[in-house]
Amino acid sequence: GESVGLHLPTLSVQEGDNSIINCAYSNSASDYFIWYKQESGKGPQFIIDIRSNMDKRQGQRVTVLLNKTVKHLSLQIAATQPGDSAVYFCAERKGDSNYQLIWGAGTKLIIKP
Amino acid sequence: NAGVTQTPKFRVLKTGQSMTLLCAQDMNHEYMYWYRQDPGMGLRLIHYSVGEGTTAKGEVPDGYNVSRLKKQNFLLGLESAAPSQTSVYFCASSQTLPSYEQYFGPGTRLTVT
Repeated sequence: GESVGLHLPTLSVQEGDNSIINCAYSNSASDYFIWYKQESGKGPQFIIDIRSNMDKRQGQRVTVLLNKTVKHLSLQIAATQPGDSAVYFCAERKGDSNYQLIWGAGTKLIIKP
Repeated sequence: NAGVTQTPKFRVLKTGQSMTLLCAQDMNHEYMYWYRQDPGMGLRLIHYSVGEGTTAKGEVPDGYNVSRLKKQNFLLGLESAAPSQTSVYFCASSQTLPSYEQYFGPGTRLTVT
């Protein structure tokens, strides 16, 4: 079946360092992936997305890498700042749907001063 | 644009009471969704709608009903609240291609005692 999961539930990173949040997916036919950031008490916010015809996509201070061989997705945050503290979710497009997303459990990113 | 708004922000119900959560979006999006998020967990889809007058069940629909009488509004009803429905409820909306990005509201925190 389709599922999206995360390797680490909590990640602690020193301020200024780079953060890498990982995500595994099980459906090799998945063609679209998306990362969201959820700050405490707020709704999820879109960070970046990537289609399966790409291996890498960059945004502002963020990079998403897609390894289809091992069905692995990662979100890299450069020069982590206190404002990056949040829970990060990956999601994939449900294979038989144009609109539904399958969500992972989330990784909590903690920034150490 | 206000984006996606949810009413109310907080609510406490007694077991057996009923209530309706209102979601409104001003982006003219076709698709709308209701999710629940339990502590330390990801998002689970309750119901969704692909257009005005249409609704469909998601992953955890039992105990909930929905209606989409107007394109901009998506209502979630609890007919007889149970403690297991204590959760944070998020509404989201999305447009059709090229992106599957979902836009989220701020959430409604519901406690059932």
